[in-house]
Amino acid sequence: DAGVIQSPRHEVTEMGQEVTLRCKPISGHNSLFWYRQTMMRGLELLIYFNNNVPIDDSGMPEDRFSAKMPNASFSTLKIQPSEPRDSAVYFCAIDRASGANVLTFGAGSRLTVL
Amino acid sequence: AQSVTQLGSHVSVSEGALVLLRCNYSSSVPPYLFWYVQYPNQGLQLLLKYTSAATLVKGINGFEAEFKKSETSFHLTKPSAHMSDAAEYFCAVTPTGGGNKLTFGTGTQLKVEL
Repeated sequence: DAGVIQSPRHEVTEMGQEVTLRCKPISGHNSLFWYRQTMMRGLELLIYFNNNVPIDDSGMPEDRFSAKMPNASFSTLKIQPSEPRDSAVYFCAIDRASGANVLTFGAGSRLTVL
Repeated sequence: AQSVTQLGSHVSVSEGALVLLRCNYSSSVPPYLFWYVQYPNQGLQLLLKYTSAATLVKGINGFEAEFKKSETSFHLTKPSAHMSDAAEYFCAVTPTGGGNKLTFGTGTQLKVEL
């Protein structure tokens, strides 16, 4: 969906390397979400922001994961150091109006950690 | 906490046949319920949502879902499957009255055969 641009679309890296995934919401929004999708665990909410402020990061698996939203048009999800079990598709999504619960997803970033 | 259970990780139907994808929710009060669809290599897209108005909800692409409180169900149906319906379908729930956190089911992969 053109409302959310994610980069990179694909990344292959080696264990121990730092990975930074980027999200640029094109449209106006109040909330931004990071999800992780794997075959084993399905879709998991990692963290979400309201008005650029982190509200709930209880889904972030470990301290190796961190997320920032310096402004309304940009967010990053960083993994340092990366591990093979972090291999997944990471989605960024926005909620265009607070409480509407209709999420617009980006196309995802497929991460492979060797 | 609210949750949803999708019965059947894979469903196969013939083109033109009825599509029925099952979703049951767990909540002490009727929640808001959603169906999303994910086509290969894409993010999720909203199909339809129930927010305590009409119990029969019509969505895009000819899909509809009926909220049945007595059965705690929100099954997705389409009278006649088309090849283009092949995708993964996710049921999701959020607390009544808003709140931004969507909890997704594990997904059902729909295959449509000639």
